[in-house]
This record gives sequence, structure tokens and C-alpha cells, in this order.
Amino acid sequence: GDSVTQMEGPVTLSEEAFLTINCTYTATGYPSLFWYVQYPGEGLQLLLKATKADDKGSNKGFEATYRKETTSFHLEKGSVQVSDSAVYFCALSDWTNAGKSTFGDGTTLTVKP
Amino acid sequence: EAQVTQNPRYLITVTGKKLTVTCSQNMNHEYMSWYRQDPGLGLRQIYYSMNVEVTDKGDVPEGYKVSRKEKRNFPLILESPSPNQTSLYFCASSLWDDPGKDNEQFFGPGTRLTVL
Repeated sequence: GDSVTQMEGPVTLSEEAFLTINCTYTATGYPSLFWYVQYPGEGLQLLLKATKADDKGSNKGFEATYRKETTSFHLEKGSVQVSDSAVYFCALSDWTNAGKSTFGDGTTLTVKP
Repeated sequence: EAQVTQNPRYLITVTGKKLTVTCSQNMNHEYMSWYRQDPGLGLRQIYYSMNVEVTDKGDVPEGYKVSRKEKRNFPLILESPSPNQTSLYFCASSLWDDPGKDNEQFFGPGTRLTVL
């Protein structure tokens, strides 16, 4: 079945540091890939998405590129802020496996001033 | 405001006492889903529904029931809750009308359930 493997956390960075959170996936079909963010005490919200190979999703300074050859969708940000502290989830939805959604375990990011 | 609502937000109950967590969306979404979030295990899908009267099991359906009688509502039912169902539960919905295009999910605020 489908699976998503995320870089283990927690991750602690200083403000303005570069962020990478690794995500790799396995899927039998042609999945769409997502990064969701969960702020303390809240539900998940979409951060960015990519629907086909080589697509780049971007939002709020975060970026991720859909790499089919390496089955990866790594999240990056050039300069993190304290307000980026949250839990980040990599996820996939596979249209050929209609309705099934698979999430990674989540990576907790703490940014210190 | 487009949103997914869940009720209750917090619930403490005892083993064996049937409960229902409601979920409603106002975005006319076809797809709805329930997840549970546990430390170290990420989000795991319980049940999902592609349309009214169509439901399917996710990865961890044991001990749960769902129904989809109306497009906007997707309640989660625990007929006989047990302590291992203590968790944080999220409902989500999605348009899901074009393969690979509009299938991001919108999440509710969560329901924290404790079963004693």
C-alpha cells in the first residue's frame, strides 16, 4: 500500500536558519503530494501541494518539488521565523486508490529567537 | 465562512458508553474523512466517504462506525468506546472532483476524546 516517510523530529532551529524536512513516499498510482501544517491547538491546514511530477508547490516562503525519480517531496524554507514553529505533515492522496489518504508521522519544528 | 465544524471539542467518557462525534462542512464537498492523531503515529485514516451513502474503511476502522446520509454531515460513532480509543480526532473534507487537481483536505479543529 501507499506510505509516507518523514524526517524524524523534533527539529530546533534559530531564527533565520535554513529549513529542510525530508519526505519520501511510495505509491502504486499517480499521487498528489501535500504539506500540511498544524499550529498548537489547531487542526491541520494546507501549506502547499503538487499534483504531478516536477511541479513545485510554494506558500509563505516554503517550497517543495515533486520528484518522481527519487519519490520525494522535501519541504524547504530559506529563513525560518519563530511563527513557523508548528508540526508539519507530509501527505499523499492517490486518485487510483480512491479515497485513501496517507500521512507521515509529522515533524515538530521549534524556532528559537 | 467556509469551514469544517466538529462537536464536541472535548469529551471525557467511560468504557462502553456509546458516543457520537459530529462533523459538518459548508463547502459542498463530495469527500469527507475521519482521522485519529496519536503521538508518534501521525494521522491515521479511520473511515472516508466519497459521496452520500458511500463509505469505506481506512487504515484503522475497528471500533468505529460512520454514516453519510447527507452531503454536509459525516458523524463518527463509537458504539462501545475503550481506553485505546483515547485520541485526538479530526474530520476533513475535500472537493475531490478532478483527479489530482482539487483534492486537498480542509480539516476541522479536532475533538479530544478521553475514554476512562
